[in-house]
Amino acid sequence: GAGVSQSPSNKVTEKGKDVELRCDPISGHTALYWYRQRLGQGLEFLIYFQGNSAPDKSGLPSDRFSAERTGESVSTLTIQRTQQEDSAVYLCASSSVGRRGRETQYFGPGTRLLVL
Amino acid sequence: SQQGEEDPQALSIQEGENATMNCSYKTSINNLQWYRQNSGRGLVHLILIRSNEREKHSGRLRVTLDTSKKSSSLLITASRAADTASYFCATDDPTGGGNKLTFGTGTQLKVEL
Repeated sequence: GAGVSQSPSNKVTEKGKDVELRCDPISGHTALYWYRQRLGQGLEFLIYFQGNSAPDKSGLPSDRFSAERTGESVSTLTIQRTQQEDSAVYLCASSSVGRRGRETQYFGPGTRLLVL
Repeated sequence: SQQGEEDPQALSIQEGENATMNCSYKTSINNLQWYRQNSGRGLVHLILIRSNEREKHSGRLRVTLDTSKKSSSLLITASRAADTASYFCATDDPTGGGNKLTFGTGTQLKVEL
């Protein structure tokens, strides 16, 4: 079946503008994750959704970052008043529910954000 | 600081040689996973090793785990140019909720013809 998809694939914006990034997880996957990856760096966890549970927002770097998920489908990550340091690749992943810590995360291709 | 840290940061080898990458982590884990990333885009899962396992194989991949040293290694045998990519280890958080993974900074592998 289809994998995780993300849109847009690339986004260039001006400092101070808001951006919205979209993630479509694999159908049936109840868990959804957002990560940020700065150039040449590893992945930073941002937020995690699992079914109807309250999301784990512990990785969001500031209150300019927020994310929503509609049921067990699409998620949007919103960055308000973008700053140049927000420039990065934003990766979304989804996984099925199973024994904790053993689920493979399937990643989307990412959205490359450049804030000028 | 990163839960998982890989070394070396970069590795360049000739096709046919073996490539070994190491990962160290700081806290207890349930499992450790290795992922591969091409061209700064999406990651692909390679292999998962449980905390009670010491070694695991998958094709040309061999992963070891030493929980006493809080370290893991990924060995790619008979490397190919197509193995050129960044490799990341990822650990779970047994004390936290859900399946949040913490990724290391990665090893950039270049396999030259």
